[in-house]
Amino acid sequence: GQNIDQPTEMTATEGAIVQINCTYQTSGFNGLFWYQQHAGEAPTFLSYNVLDGLEEKGRFSSFLSRSKGYSYLLLKELQMKDSASYLCAALDSNYQLIWGAGTKLIIKP
Amino acid sequence: GAVVSQHPSRVICKSGTSVKIECRSLDFQATTMFWYRQFPKQSLMLMATSNEGSKATYEQGVEKDKFLINHASLTLSTLTVTSAHPEDSSFYICSARGGQENEKLFFGSGTQLSVL
Repeated sequence: GQNIDQPTEMTATEGAIVQINCTYQTSGFNGLFWYQQHAGEAPTFLSYNVLDGLEEKGRFSSFLSRSKGYSYLLLKELQMKDSASYLCAALDSNYQLIWGAGTKLIIKP
Repeated sequence: GAVVSQHPSRVICKSGTSVKIECRSLDFQATTMFWYRQFPKQSLMLMATSNEGSKATYEQGVEKDKFLINHASLTLSTLTVTSAHPEDSSFYICSARGGQENEKLFFGSGTQLSVL
């Protein structure tokens, strides 16, 4: 079956770095997305990886290893506004998004 | 970047009435639109996929006669919740794919539906 695993909740300190891991098993693979979602709002696109390696975009970076079925989202210089849920989603062979349950990130001062 | 407009953002209705939610791609042609539903404290669940000009493909367990989806043009898709009941109360979100960034999904702002 198809499955996305990511931690349910993580806590980090303002100004620090946090890495949110995601493992996936899908029927075919056409890329992996990371989305940020604040409570009560629609998710917003953060990153898309389809090739192995690290993609850096400001304070956020995303890594993908297709052979390991593994990705992570790295957030640097954490700010209080980064408190949100972070959703990992894989695009399968039918171009359907398979969603993880999301990781709730709590930032403490 | 691409923009998807969804409205209404919030709707309260009586049980038994129908509610229509619109999703528009403002600056690109959306060849595919997706409708999601999110229950509190849960991840987004894909309800259906619609391609312009063809019938929507519904996910297992989603009643197609209850959730009517129309994707009549490349910039507009609508979701109609027919004869809504309290258990239909949820957060509905549309997303669209198309244009030059065909692999990315762009999301609407969501609609909070409350059925009394």
